[in-house]
Amino acid sequence: GAGVSQSPSNKVTEKGKDVELRCDPISGHTALYWYRQSLGQGLEFLIYFQGNSAPDKSGLPSDRFSAERTGGSVSTLTIQRTQQEDSAVYLCASSLGRDHEQYFGPGTRLTVT
Amino acid sequence: AQSVTQPDIHITVSEGASLELRCNYSYGATPYLFWYVQSPGQGLQLLLKYFSGDTLVQGIKGFEAEFKRSQSSFNLRKPSVHWSDAAEYFCAVAANNNDMRFGAGTRLTVKP
Repeated sequence: GAGVSQSPSNKVTEKGKDVELRCDPISGHTALYWYRQSLGQGLEFLIYFQGNSAPDKSGLPSDRFSAERTGGSVSTLTIQRTQQEDSAVYLCASSLGRDHEQYFGPGTRLTVT
Repeated sequence: AQSVTQPDIHITVSEGASLELRCNYSYGATPYLFWYVQSPGQGLQLLLKYFSGDTLVQGIKGFEAEFKRSQSSFNLRKPSVHWSDAAEYFCAVAANNNDMRFGAGTRLTVKP
């Protein structure tokens, strides 16, 4: 079946612009996760959703970052007024729950110039 | 909140040699533990996971990991490394709130 998909695969934006990153999880997966992977860094947890709600938003690095999930499916990560330090690969993953494997999407590579 | 430490940023081993990648976690209860691998230009793939039961877990590609509660560790091992094992390896811990945290990763280089 279809895996986790993310769009766009690459995004180049100018500093100060807003960007939206999209994640389509595997159908039926109730848990959805966003991570950021900067060059040479590990995976930084940003936020996760259980259904449409996000119990823990503490991983979001600043108030310029927000995320929503509608219909228990598609999620959008929005970065407002992008800064150069926002440049990274943004990974989305979904799972059936904590005792199940997280399936990762291919990521969106964001470059802020 | 739970956390994971991978003490080794980069490890180099010769092909055919044994491998052990270290992972230590911090969590008040029994966690769910995972090892993922990220090959260059590829997504993350699950190698193995521990939920309960036998503390020695077998995974794909000949990897295994052992959960040691007394040491809060979940080290990844492989008896004989192949050149194709060169990749970034991430240990992760999940708590009972579905929140998974990853370590910073260990980059493995395999010498011919």
